[in-house]
Amino acid sequence: GDSVTQMEGPVTLSEEAFLTINCTYTATGYPSLFWYVQYPGEGLQLLLKATKADDKGSNKGFEATYRKETTSFHLEKGSVQVSDSAVYFCALSRPGNEKLTFGTGTRLTIIP
Amino acid sequence: DVKVTQSSRYLVKRTGEKVFLECVQDMDHENMFWYRQDPGLGLRLIYFSYDVKMKEKGDIPEGYSVSREKKERFSLILESASTNQTSMYLCASSSARGQRQPQHFGDGTRLSIL
Repeated sequence: GDSVTQMEGPVTLSEEAFLTINCTYTATGYPSLFWYVQYPGEGLQLLLKATKADDKGSNKGFEATYRKETTSFHLEKGSVQVSDSAVYFCALSRPGNEKLTFGTGTRLTIIP
Repeated sequence: DVKVTQSSRYLVKRTGEKVFLECVQDMDHENMFWYRQDPGLGLRLIYFSYDVKMKEKGDIPEGYSVSREKKERFSLILESASTNQTSMYLCASSSARGQRQPQHFGDGTRLSIL
């Protein structure tokens, strides 16, 4: 079945550091890929998405590129801020299927 | 903006009680979902619904049921609560118009079963 594997957390970085959170997936066909973010005490919010190979999703300085050859969708940001502290979830859905399959989440803490 | 509202942020119930978690969305979305979120396990789908009075089992439906009598409301029911159902419960909705629409989430209900 479908699965999503994220790098283990927690991740702690200093402000203005470069961020990478790895995500790889297993799925048949051509899934859509998503990154969701969960700030403390809140539900999940869509951060960015990509629907086909080589697409780049971007939002709020975050980027992720859909790499079919490596089945990956790594999240990157060039300079993180304290306000980026949150839990980040990678997820996929398959065409014609509204269900999302989530990774286990990566907790990110940014220290001033 | 899409608003998904869950009726309670925190709930404490006793073992064996019947528990209702309510979720309402205001964007006329066809699809609605219930997840539970546990540390180290991410989000797991309990049930989902594509339309009124329609429901399908997700990955972990045991011990739960759902009700969708109106399009905007999707209820999760714990028939006889047990301590292993202590968790964070998240409701989500999405549009079926167009492909690959994102899901929109409520703020969650943290449920404790004593």
